[in-house]
Amino acid sequence: IAGITQAPTSQILAAGRRMTLRCTQDMRHNAMYWYRQDLGLGLRLIHYSNTAGTTGKGEVPDGYSVSRANTDDFPLTLASAVPSQTSVYFCASSDGERGEQFFGPGTRLTVL
Amino acid sequence: GQNIDQPTEMTATEGAIVQINCTYQTSGFNGLFWYQQHAGEAPTFLSYNVLDGLEEKGRFSSFLSRSKGYSYLLLKELQMKDSASYLCAVRDSNYQLIWGAGTKLIIKP
Repeated sequence: IAGITQAPTSQILAAGRRMTLRCTQDMRHNAMYWYRQDLGLGLRLIHYSNTAGTTGKGEVPDGYSVSRANTDDFPLTLASAVPSQTSVYFCASSDGERGEQFFGPGTRLTVL
Repeated sequence: GQNIDQPTEMTATEGAIVQINCTYQTSGFNGLFWYQQHAGEAPTFLSYNVLDGLEEKGRFSSFLSRSKGYSYLLLKELQMKDSASYLCAVRDSNYQLIWGAGTKLIIKP
């Protein structure tokens, strides 16, 4: 692994189903983030984690949950998917004073 | 509320220079970032400004004026591969990034 990986690359999901998006980094960064990106809107923060064992809510947390059991993994779960959660989801990590964020390749999710 | 404004789309000619502006109103300021995002790909880091002035990195430069809540990204000697969206982001008092919607830059031959 080099950097951040996300899985799946894309997914079509029926409304009401549960879905977990996976994110793994090998840079030993303390902070990790989940964003959604929709056309015409900036990246919006869903949840974040400043260090393993802690999580926090971002701008648009409703309908999503996260966990951070270790430094490397930061899964995002949609408990019961709705069509408005159709989006591209990016996982990112950062470390150091400057806080530059490194992004995974993204997951394109379609909820029907 | 917090707000980042940047033009939705700009067009420029190969070999020319283009300036992409970003204005911001945020609760606190702990640095401003510019990212490049090609269609269908993840954002990648371009530049970081925390003090007023110009930061130069090859063909790309970024300027910051904290008193005016203003930054710009300057791209010189444009190449076709520079066609992408350019995202401005400000780190606020909670050290979270607030993102603009991005500027889609179209390069014409």
